[in-house]
Amino acid sequence: AQSVTQPDIHITVSEGASLELRCNYSYGATPYLFWYVQSPGQGLQLLLKYFSGDTLVQGIKGFEAEFKRSQSSFNLRKPSVHWSDAAEYFCAVGSPGNQFYFGTGTSLTVIP
Amino acid sequence: NAGVMQNPRHLVRRRGQEARLRCSPMKGHSHVYWYRQLPEEGLKFMVYLQKENIIDESGMPKERFSAEFPKEGPSILRIQQVVRGDSAAYFCASSNQQETQYFGPGTRLLVL
Repeated sequence: AQSVTQPDIHITVSEGASLELRCNYSYGATPYLFWYVQSPGQGLQLLLKYFSGDTLVQGIKGFEAEFKRSQSSFNLRKPSVHWSDAAEYFCAVGSPGNQFYFGTGTSLTVIP
Repeated sequence: NAGVMQNPRHLVRRRGQEARLRCSPMKGHSHVYWYRQLPEEGLKFMVYLQKENIIDESGMPKERFSAEFPKEGPSILRIQQVVRGDSAAYFCASSNQQETQYFGPGTRLLVL
């Protein structure tokens, strides 16, 4: 079955601290992997994506993610969090011409 | 280049009324996806359309829900005889060449 698991429902970090959001997936084909961010009342903005090649991908706003096939993971990281990063983060998996499967999201709170 | 546009942004309906949600994909995109987001949950796939064709409607409720993407004009998600359980945020995404999906701001539907 296709699914995405984000084990952390809510994470709180101090501004300037590092961040890692976990994502594990189950997918029957070669996965395309995505991280989106959603601010309250807003739509989803694409942070980064992985299709193939280098397993460490860089995204916008200083985010990066690493694809680990052996662990079926695609964790999102940021070295130093800013207050404006507070939002809901969604991991998604899919493939061309097919629906995306989303995790239930991780809510990030940033403490000044 | 305008992004994915959805209207209305907010929609209030009484039980039994019809709701029509519109989505204009990004310029050059011919693939449209509809997702529903319930409070505190991730996005759930509903339907995938190309111009004048429904490609995958496996996520659509069997009754009251329908979608179209005509040759001209926006994609429409139609909900007939709405019930309180239909209250949710409905997101449209579009893609080109079946790659990355870009999301609109969503329509928040409230059924009274």
